[in-house]
Amino acid sequence: AQTVTQSQPEMSVQEAETVTLSCTYDTSENNYYLFWYKQPPSRQMILVIRQEAYKQQNATENRFSVNFQKAAKSFSLKISDSQLGDTAMYFCAFMKQGNDMRFGAGTRLTVKP
Amino acid sequence: GAVVSQHPSRVICKSGTSVKIECRSLDFQATTMFWYRQFPKKSLMLMATSNEGSKATYEQGVEKDKFLINHASLTLSTLTVTSAHPEDSSFYICSVTGLEGQPQHFGDGTRLSIL
Repeated sequence: AQTVTQSQPEMSVQEAETVTLSCTYDTSENNYYLFWYKQPPSRQMILVIRQEAYKQQNATENRFSVNFQKAAKSFSLKISDSQLGDTAMYFCAFMKQGNDMRFGAGTRLTVKP
Repeated sequence: GAVVSQHPSRVICKSGTSVKIECRSLDFQATTMFWYRQFPKKSLMLMATSNEGSKATYEQGVEKDKFLINHASLTLSTLTVTSAHPEDSSFYICSVTGLEGQPQHFGDGTRLSIL
């Protein structure tokens, strides 16, 4: 079974600073997909970024980028120029072929003014 | 626009009541939908995979008779919490998946409170 570990229950960052959220996973699969989702207080699940395991290039989406280390099974999320609206729970997610998705425990990020 | 519509968003009912939650795929036909449960300040736990035209696949520890799933069409899956009790109170979220490897699209969730 696949497991996803987020070792940082809570993080905080000053507005405009950069923060990195860590995520590791365990799998025997070679082809899979990784995601970061954001869940603000509204509890809506919002896709932040997606990475395909067969791609070596790290995904980026504006202020969000990942550091994907396949051999180390690590998938960290970097948020640059943090904004107050980035305050939310962030979930790392693993999806194998068949679209069965598993989530980490989450990291609560607080952006401070 | 929204890809997934989940209804109702909030339910408060008495113990012993059965509650039905609907999840509709708005943008595409979905042969597979997923149902998750989320406790306060916790992660999403997959409850079951809803398969159009066939039986749902339940995760270990999830009671099939308690959480009935019906996926009668390519755009609608329903989760019925039967004879609900206070311990069933939780946040339930559905998701829809499209092509292989594409992210799941989530409904806005249903907050269920059993008195």
